[in-house]
Amino acid sequence: KNQVEQSPQSLIILEGKNCTLQCNYTVSPFSNLRWYKQDTGRGPVSLTIMTFSENTKSNGRYTATLDADTKQSSLHITASQLSDSASYICVVSEKGGSYIPTFGRGTSLIVHP
Amino acid sequence: DTGVSQDPRHKITKRGQNVTFRCDPISEHNRLYWYRQTLGQGPEFLTYFQNEAQLEKSRLLSDRFSAERPKGSFSTLEIQRTEQGDSAMYLCASSIGLLYEQYFGPGTRLTVT
Repeated sequence: KNQVEQSPQSLIILEGKNCTLQCNYTVSPFSNLRWYKQDTGRGPVSLTIMTFSENTKSNGRYTATLDADTKQSSLHITASQLSDSASYICVVSEKGGSYIPTFGRGTSLIVHP
Repeated sequence: DTGVSQDPRHKITKRGQNVTFRCDPISEHNRLYWYRQTLGQGPEFLTYFQNEAQLEKSRLLSDRFSAERPKGSFSTLEIQRTEQGDSAMYLCASSIGLLYEQYFGPGTRLTVT
């Protein structure tokens, strides 16, 4: 069964600090991995997408890494802002057929002033 | 606003009633997805359409659930004889193609009392 595990489940940091969120997956064969940001009560918004051949992708203060051999990804947030408070969801799609994505449970990030 | 829209945003219903949700995707997006998200969990795939064809349904989509996309534009998700376990956020997403980014709507929050 395809699974996506995220850690930590929740994280509290001070404004201006950096943090790293982790994602491990068992989805195979692998197609792509996305990180989404979901504000409370809203739909997820895509931050990055990576395919098998990519190991780093940046979007402003967000940098995602992918190690397809170990099936691990991380999302690094630099110089956190209060608006970064949200749930961050890792999503992995299976190659072939319908490419149905498997979602992780998310990491809840709270940034305090 | 040219994003994905969903209606209603909130729905409270009594157990046993039928409910119908609507999703309007971004125009020209031929793929449309329905997901369900419960508190503290990531979205779970329910079903998706390519144009008007419903190509895959999750085993989560019981006989009480039905989705349509009659003209390949907007889609409806109907839940018959609602149960308290159906209480969740129902998210719709659309994409321009198979491997392209999915854009999510704001979701419909269903509460079954």
